[in-house]
Amino acid sequence: EAGVVQSPRYKIIEKKQPVAFWCNPISGHNTLYWYRQNLGQGPELLIRYENEEAVDDSQLPKDRFSAERLKGVDSTLKIQPAELGDSAVYLCASSLELAGGPAYFGPGTRLLVL
Amino acid sequence: LAKTTQPISMDSYEGQEVNITCSHNNIATNDYITWYQQFPSQGPRFIIQGYKTKVTNEVASLFIPADRKSSTLSLPRVSLSDTAVYYCLVLNYGGATNKLIFGTGTLLAVQP
Repeated sequence: EAGVVQSPRYKIIEKKQPVAFWCNPISGHNTLYWYRQNLGQGPELLIRYENEEAVDDSQLPKDRFSAERLKGVDSTLKIQPAELGDSAVYLCASSLELAGGPAYFGPGTRLLVL
Repeated sequence: LAKTTQPISMDSYEGQEVNITCSHNNIATNDYITWYQQFPSQGPRFIIQGYKTKVTNEVASLFIPADRKSSTLSLPRVSLSDTAVYYCLVLNYGGATNKLIFGTGTLLAVQP
């Protein structure tokens, strides 16, 4: 079974440019998470989806970040415009949460904003 | 939400048993204790989960006392490849307020 797929794996952009990250969760997983991880810190939850509904986006900086999961399967996280402080690893995870299943993480997208 | 506290770092040598303790004093009745492992440049990986007493799998054991206010992840006979960050989380599956919240974790350094 394929794991969580993320693309791109690496992205370098200049500040003020837009950037988007894509995530395809494990087939059948209804819950999808986006995290941001800075160097030396634990992952920070940005948004959690149950199917296509964002049930927790309290930590998402909504002035520049947006996310969507239109059909309840794959998801896109966007930053516009990017700032220097957005440089981090963006992780996607999925789970069968309501069934008590653990979350499975993708490899992440490493973003560098210059 | 139950907050967890764990040591920032631990050192060990190959072949030793390592025990990482996590404190979660305000754990709720329906909360589960879950541990993740993260290697550099990878996403966290689920290791083990439990509710009470002892759980064992091919990777680790999880010991949870009766009051459930703490838990101990036990890694038998560690090797260099067990060097990683270990995160302790408390989760309420199916809850509307459930959040998979990570702390700073415990950096385990295994030396030869």
